Amino acid sequence: EAQVTQNPRYLITVTGKKLTVTCSQNMNHEYMSWYRQDPGLGLRQIYYSMNVEVTDKGDVPEGYKVSRKEKRNFPLILESPSPNQTSLYFCASSFASGYEQYFGPGTRLTVT
Amino acid sequence: SQQGEEDPQALSIQEGENATMNCSYKTSINNLQWYRQNSGRGLVHLILIRSNEREKHSGRLRVTLDTSKKSSSLLITASRAADTASYFCALRDFQKLVFGTGTRLLVSP
Repeated sequence: EAQVTQNPRYLITVTGKKLTVTCSQNMNHEYMSWYRQDPGLGLRQIYYSMNVEVTDKGDVPEGYKVSRKEKRNFPLILESPSPNQTSLYFCASSFASGYEQYFGPGTRLTVT
Repeated sequence: SQQGEEDPQALSIQEGENATMNCSYKTSINNLQWYRQNSGRGLVHLILIRSNEREKHSGRLRVTLDTSKKSSSLLITASRAADTASYFCALRDFQKLVFGTGTRLLVSP
């Protein structure tokens, strides 16, 4: 089954404790992306990747890092999480930029 | 940057009625996409309409695109309670896909 998986689905952590949210897709997609969704602000793109070893900033990249060492995986790293990063995070993938995107189920992160 | 604006922000209808939501944008586009999101879950792609297309159908969904007015509409016919969700339009901005803030649709039995 074609899918995008994210882990963990829920995470409560404390300020400053490094964390990684994993994202994996099994569709051999070149394009992958991370979004955060906040009430009243809609979805905002954090980072995206056009292909392996090619990543670029989205609209809200501050406080986040990504890497794309393999085509299928695109982890999101919060080196020093802060409460303003409490949000619902989505990973998505597509054949290429501008094409239909497939979304993961979301990761609800709370930073206290 | 390019972003669609959905209208209305919220819509409440009865089962069996049609629901129409609109998306307006500012600059020229290559394509426009519509997505659905059930509460707190991942978005699901509904329809992609290209700039040279005027109308597209998928089951009970009908999407129109008017590039001269820079607007698109999503029509859901004969709505069901299961259509209750948020609906987003998305526009390509260079290598990014930019989402609007969505229309929340509530369909009551």
